[in-house]
Amino acid sequence: DQQVKQNSPSLSVQEGRISILNCDYTNSMFDYFLWYKKYPAEGPTFLISISSIKDKNEDGRFTVFLNKSAKHLSLHIVPSQPGDSAVYFCAASGDSGGSNYKLTFGKGTLLTVNP
Amino acid sequence: DAMVIQNPRYQVTQFGKPVTLSCSQTLNHNVMYWYQQKSSQAPKLLFHYYDKDFNNEADTPDNFQSRRPNTSFCFLDIRSPGLGDAAMYLCATSEQGKGQAFFGQGTRLTVV
Repeated sequence: DQQVKQNSPSLSVQEGRISILNCDYTNSMFDYFLWYKKYPAEGPTFLISISSIKDKNEDGRFTVFLNKSAKHLSLHIVPSQPGDSAVYFCAASGDSGGSNYKLTFGKGTLLTVNP
Repeated sequence: DAMVIQNPRYQVTQFGKPVTLSCSQTLNHNVMYWYQQKSSQAPKLLFHYYDKDFNNEADTPDNFQSRRPNTSFCFLDIRSPGLGDAAMYLCATSEQGKGQAFFGQGTRLTVV
């Protein structure tokens, strides 16, 4: 039973355009959400996060939007660059077990930015 | 500077032969995690330490054990690796309550 879902295994965009990666979650106790970026043969690196008290967080080219009522978040990358090509994982924490420091991950979306 | 270091990066082991993966951190974080990631799947939490307290996920097989002798080091022991245990093993650390976890580069385990 996946609590964090990334329904698009892959996404391809042109350099300079917007990339939108989506994530849905089912556990209403999640209150902190993160995006990680992963290159092949490397560990995930933290990209951006958002707390449930906000609906938007921006860091340079990266913006995360949270829609709590829909249990949906998205990552926008504008403008997309070829170096952004990687697997992007959505993660969430704050489940009902009280372990608010455990991260639950989605399966990831492979983003390819074409020059 | 590397903050979470995993050794080795690649490990080949024989079916049924015990293997140990290691992780060290320079962040002085109190929480350390081990995740298993198979191809095209989400990283799956195996267990974590909160300081010296060990927390096993309910569905982690008994074949997997862990040790944390001090704040800086954590080990993953696979007592009798099977072909299904071939995966990328990721170590991560975090400060409790901060949410963000810092990952090592992972160890790619191959079972032959």
